[in-house]
Amino acid sequence: EPEVTQTPSHQVTQMGQEVILRCVPISNHLYFYWYRQILGQKVEFLVSFYNNEISEKSEIFDDQFSVERPDGSNFTLKIRSTKLEDSAMYFCASIKGLAGGETQYFGPGTRLLVL
Amino acid sequence: DAKTTQPNSMESNEEEPVHLPCNHSTISGTDYIHWYRQLPSQGPEYVIHGLTSNVNNRMASLAIAEDRKSSTLILHRATLRDAAVYYCILRDLNYGQNFVFGPGTRLSVLP
Repeated sequence: EPEVTQTPSHQVTQMGQEVILRCVPISNHLYFYWYRQILGQKVEFLVSFYNNEISEKSEIFDDQFSVERPDGSNFTLKIRSTKLEDSAMYFCASIKGLAGGETQYFGPGTRLLVL
Repeated sequence: DAKTTQPNSMESNEEEPVHLPCNHSTISGTDYIHWYRQLPSQGPEYVIHGLTSNVNNRMASLAIAEDRKSSTLILHRATLRDAAVYYCILRDLNYGQNFVFGPGTRLSVLP
């Protein structure tokens, strides 16, 4: 069964450093997402991406964040200057279409720890 | 997105059926009801979804009330591996971007 993959599984970084989280969505999916989950809290939407541009973003997704699809398979989330509060699990997801009955598939996540 | 309410936690014994309720009294006629679960330290995982009729798949069954204001996810025989947080999410038939996750129901399965 096709799946969304994410690398790395864990990342430790110093405050102020840039990090790039990588995702490979399912190959015939058109819409891509990043979510985050702070330890013990609920899953929160960050951004959605379609046709090489951001289609929706949350208040969390400020100027420190950016997304890119650099080639036909990868989808990346960059945090320019990490803060302590960016420590969380980051999940990538993809979906084939936007109809209400479509299923969104999530990756296993990247655990980011900012020291 | 329309809101859903679920109990914070539930407990079940292994190999017994589990009924996880979800209230969505403000559901619109075009909202699909999706259920996802999140096992410890993993990403959310699709379980089942439906619009009006009850649905069955290899993982679970979804029972949707006639007025659609509530639904129940049924795990027919709980296993230890079913211990997870279960999320009930509404998505519009015609337009859906991100999935809006609430706190979900934390299911504990006792051996």
